[in-house]
Amino acid sequence: KQEVTQIPAALSVPEGENLVLNCSFTDSAIYNLQWFRQDPGKGLTSLLLIQSSQREQTSGRLNASLDKSSGRSTLYIAASQPGDSATYLCAATLIQGAQKLVFGQGTRLTINP
Amino acid sequence: GAGVSQSPSNKVTEKGKDVELRCDPISGHTALYWYRQSLGQGLEFLIYFQGNSAPDKSGLPSDRFSAERTGGSVSTLTIQRTQQEDSAVYLCASSLGRWNTGELFFGEGSRLTVL
Repeated sequence: KQEVTQIPAALSVPEGENLVLNCSFTDSAIYNLQWFRQDPGKGLTSLLLIQSSQREQTSGRLNASLDKSSGRSTLYIAASQPGDSATYLCAATLIQGAQKLVFGQGTRLTINP
Repeated sequence: GAGVSQSPSNKVTEKGKDVELRCDPISGHTALYWYRQSLGQGLEFLIYFQGNSAPDKSGLPSDRFSAERTGGSVSTLTIQRTQQEDSAVYLCASSLGRWNTGELFFGEGSRLTVL
């Protein structure tokens, strides 16, 4: 059974710091991996989608990498801002099994002014 | 509309009542998903529709849960004889491509509270 784990569960850093959020998955047979952010009481907003053939994707201050062999993905946030405070979730799409994304539990990020 | 629209945004109901939750996906998106997010839990897959194909219902937790998608667009998730453990946020998502290629776009969710 595919499991997706995100560490740490919560992270608090001062504004301006660069930071890395981690996502690991047990089954390397994935089609893609997607990073989302969720603000309190809101739905999920897609940040980056990495196909299995890709190593990384970038959008503005965000960079996501994918290493299928080690079952890991990281989300790098540069020059963090208070507006980046949210819960960040990663989700992997399996090749085998049900047609769905398997989500991690998320990392709750707080950027302190 | 520009995004995935869900209604109602909040629903409070009494145990044993039936509820219907609606999802209007992004125009042109062929794939539609329902997920459930319970307090302190991750997102739980419920059901997936792709075009005119038979839906993947493998995530529905019991036979009290059902969903339909009419005309390949709007979807309704129905929960019969609601229980307190059904309280959660129900999220709908749509995608332009098939499940293994497309980026998912989520609605704001429908928060269900069963008293």
